[in-house]
Amino acid sequence: ILNVEQSPQSLHVQEGDSTNFTCSFPSSNFYALHWYRWETAKSPEALFVMTLNGDEKKKGRISATLNTKEGYSYLYIKGSQPEDSATYLCAFGGEETSGSRLTFGEGTQLTVNP
Amino acid sequence: DAGVIQSPRHEVTEMGQEVTLRCKPISGHNSLFWYRQTMMRGLELLIYFNNNVPIDDSGMPEDRFSAKMPNASFSTLKIQPSEPRDSAVYFCASSYRRQANTEAFFGQGTRLTVV
Repeated sequence: ILNVEQSPQSLHVQEGDSTNFTCSFPSSNFYALHWYRWETAKSPEALFVMTLNGDEKKKGRISATLNTKEGYSYLYIKGSQPEDSATYLCAFGGEETSGSRLTFGEGTQLTVNP
Repeated sequence: DAGVIQSPRHEVTEMGQEVTLRCKPISGHNSLFWYRQTMMRGLELLIYFNNNVPIDDSGMPEDRFSAKMPNASFSTLKIQPSEPRDSAVYFCASSYRRQANTEAFFGQGTRLTVV
């Protein structure tokens, strides 16, 4: 059973604060790391798919980094806004030999207070 | 494209009844995934198909669960007989390739309640 862990489980910040959270995953047989944003009553939407050690990706105020050797990824949100409130999921994808299944973490639930 | 379409959005059924959940993937996508979201286990993969063929069904909890994909534009997940512990949100997702570096597109989910 693959262990994908996210921390913290939940986070409350004030509008304008910058924040970050962590995803840890197995460092062996790595193929890809996904970040999804999941708003209440909607479906998860992909933010980033990362494959290379040291990769950094950015979309607006949200960015992510990847360290495959030590098995972690950080998601950063700069200047949080109430509309950023959502659950952020990471998912680990193993090498082809282990199938293309994604193993999801349990998510970090972010609440941004106005 | 309208995205991944699931039906019904909500289903309430009595224990012992058969439940069928439906999914239409994005046109052109050749991989389809069924996930279940529960409070206890988060988002877990039940089964996935590639080119309509089941590749990995190791996540299917027991024989009461079955999934089919008769063609590239339709899949079903069936629970027979249903039990209260099957209550969860079931998501279908599709991607254009089976490799794990490919973004998955999720449907809106079916919220199943078994009473």
